[in-house]
Amino acid sequence: GESVGLHLPTLSVQEGDNSIINCAYSNSASDYFIWYKQESGKGPQFIIDIRSNMDKRQGQRVTVLLNKTVKHLSLQIAATQPGDSAVYFCAETLNQGGKLIFGQGTELSVKP
Amino acid sequence: DVKVTQSSRYLVKRTGEKVFLECVQDMDHENMFWYRQDPGLGLRLIYFSYDVKMKEKGDIPEGYSVSREKKERFSLILESASTNQTSMYLCASSGYNEQFFGPGTRLTVL
Repeated sequence: GESVGLHLPTLSVQEGDNSIINCAYSNSASDYFIWYKQESGKGPQFIIDIRSNMDKRQGQRVTVLLNKTVKHLSLQIAATQPGDSAVYFCAETLNQGGKLIFGQGTELSVKP
Repeated sequence: DVKVTQSSRYLVKRTGEKVFLECVQDMDHENMFWYRQDPGLGLRLIYFSYDVKMKEKGDIPEGYSVSREKKERFSLILESASTNQTSMYLCASSGYNEQFFGPGTRLTVL
């Protein structure tokens, strides 16, 4: 029979609040991780990356945390704005520039 | 500004037609990728290429082929389109770090 796709996890936050999006990655040997943002009808857009020799990296309003012990990645967005509404994907790879393994994505909805 | 462009944003084809999706990048990247994206299934890798004239199968290559005759151009070919190939197709390129994505082509096969 036909397989049924899963619904995306959804996170709904109030404008101005902080958002935390989580991702469990699959391969303990993965060396490089990326967060992408995808707005409706557009291709994924790079937000921030982190290498496996780091556990935290900060960008403008965003922070990525890496916990290799439990294979967990998180994206924190400070002072969330309506323009942050999108689907967020984590991705992992064994070698930078190479083949990526993507997570399922989380839909972030920001209420004004 | 880095750029990955795809030949069409929307495309409608009939079952059995041969379909060409073109992707061009202007960043002199070695690596190029084709994905399809379906609701609930995320991004799935169809084919990728690490150099001109080189290609490798991704996770779902069946029903597709690719061509990389020039470094900046990576083409995805559907030899005989079928309705289950209706999807959003995304092209990406990378150098040493992150992949940059094109805007996508939404293909409908009737």
